[in-house]
Amino acid sequence: SQQGEEDPQALSIQEGENATMNCSYKTSINNLQWYRQNSGRGLVHLILIRSNEREKHSGRLRVTLDTSKKSSSLLITASRAADTASYFCATESGGSYIPTFGRGTSLIVHP
Amino acid sequence: DAGITQSPRHKVTETGTPVTLRCHQTENHRYMYWYRQDPGHGLRLIHYSYGVKDTDKGEVSDGYSVSRSKTEDFLLTLESATSSQTSVYFCAISESGASDTQYFGPGTRLTVL
Repeated sequence: SQQGEEDPQALSIQEGENATMNCSYKTSINNLQWYRQNSGRGLVHLILIRSNEREKHSGRLRVTLDTSKKSSSLLITASRAADTASYFCATESGGSYIPTFGRGTSLIVHP
Repeated sequence: DAGITQSPRHKVTETGTPVTLRCHQTENHRYMYWYRQDPGHGLRLIHYSYGVKDTDKGEVSDGYSVSRSKTEDFLLTLESATSSQTSVYFCAISESGASDTQYFGPGTRLTVL
């Protein structure tokens, strides 16, 4: 069963707009990662945030983590058509070093 | 794709036949994983390996077996393929396991008729 669940399932925006997607999880985590998957390709790692961190940035990406709400958000600023992809969160919890993936958010950025 | 190849990339087979998928890495990473991806389910772990000859089951291991005789190769075998095993299969690797980035292969699309 999935630990993390992304929301919304699908998101459609115009180029230049910001895109926000969320991940909620059920049990305490050690860390949370975000991945991107372009159509027909494997997943690509974007960013990892540890349970004792609240915010991380990488280029146009901003990830926040609220452990009290058991949720994380991924913000893509000034989106581009090339950002069109599915985005997945993956959580690692307890003694397991195996990340558990959610079902993903499908993002479409219209030029 | 970080030195990970999967073969074959596409395969069509019939119910009841054995199928082996291969994952090959050139990164010398210790951990290797097999996932399947299906619409509405995201990625689900089938089996993983934490070293040569060291493997363990994942969430959806029934009907699958794996072997790892060399660091660079991780084989996934469907002993007797069923239509429910029609899916896209991804191999992933990571250097140290815990809290580590996973690098994914390009995937194998398997269709079982």
